[in-house]
Amino acid sequence: KAGVTQTPRYLIKTRGQQVTLSCSPISGHRSVSWYQQTPGQGLQFLFEYFSETQRNKGNFPGRFSGRQFSNSRSEMNVSTLELGDSALYLCASSSTGTATNEKLFFGSGTQLSVL
Amino acid sequence: KQEVTQIPAALSVPEGENLVLNCSFTDSAIYNLQWFRQDPGKGLTSLLLIQSSQREQTSGRLNASLDKSSGRSTLYIAASQPGDSATYLCAVPDSGNTPLVFGKGTRLSVIA
Repeated sequence: KAGVTQTPRYLIKTRGQQVTLSCSPISGHRSVSWYQQTPGQGLQFLFEYFSETQRNKGNFPGRFSGRQFSNSRSEMNVSTLELGDSALYLCASSSTGTATNEKLFFGSGTQLSVL
Repeated sequence: KQEVTQIPAALSVPEGENLVLNCSFTDSAIYNLQWFRQDPGKGLTSLLLIQSSQREQTSGRLNASLDKSSGRSTLYIAASQPGDSATYLCAVPDSGNTPLVFGKGTRLSVIA
């Protein structure tokens, strides 16, 4: 069974640009969550999608957005990039996204550098 | 709001030593607690998930315990090996549902 796939693996952008990251969950998983990881703040929750609907949203500005398609694949977009957006962006999938007894499966992440 | 703390932030031990990593959380009304491993620049791998009704979970040389009343969990690694070198993070759901709230992790180095 294939794991969670994130593309691209690395990205270099300049301030003011926008970027789109992609995540393909494990087959059959309907919940996709996105996290931002930085050395200073650690892992911070961005948003979660389940069956194409945003179910939870973290405390990030509106420049950060996402969506989920009918095949459960998800994309996140960051507009008007700032230096502080440099981070490892991680995607995680689970079957239902509920907190009861489910493990979360992570992709290898997209390392974004904003110059 | 749930907060998760991990102490120590970094740990270096000689190969073969048994060790304990600590995790504490502020809201004891949790459904479960997960321990993850992260290698540098990589994603997270779930190691163990302890349900709220359980006291511990074991997988190979790893044993995780959970004490909800005191808001604490420990990850015990027996007979450590250089391949165990990684960052270990614990996480609990926030307010009963996803998302997970993560600690900042303990960076473990096992020296051969």
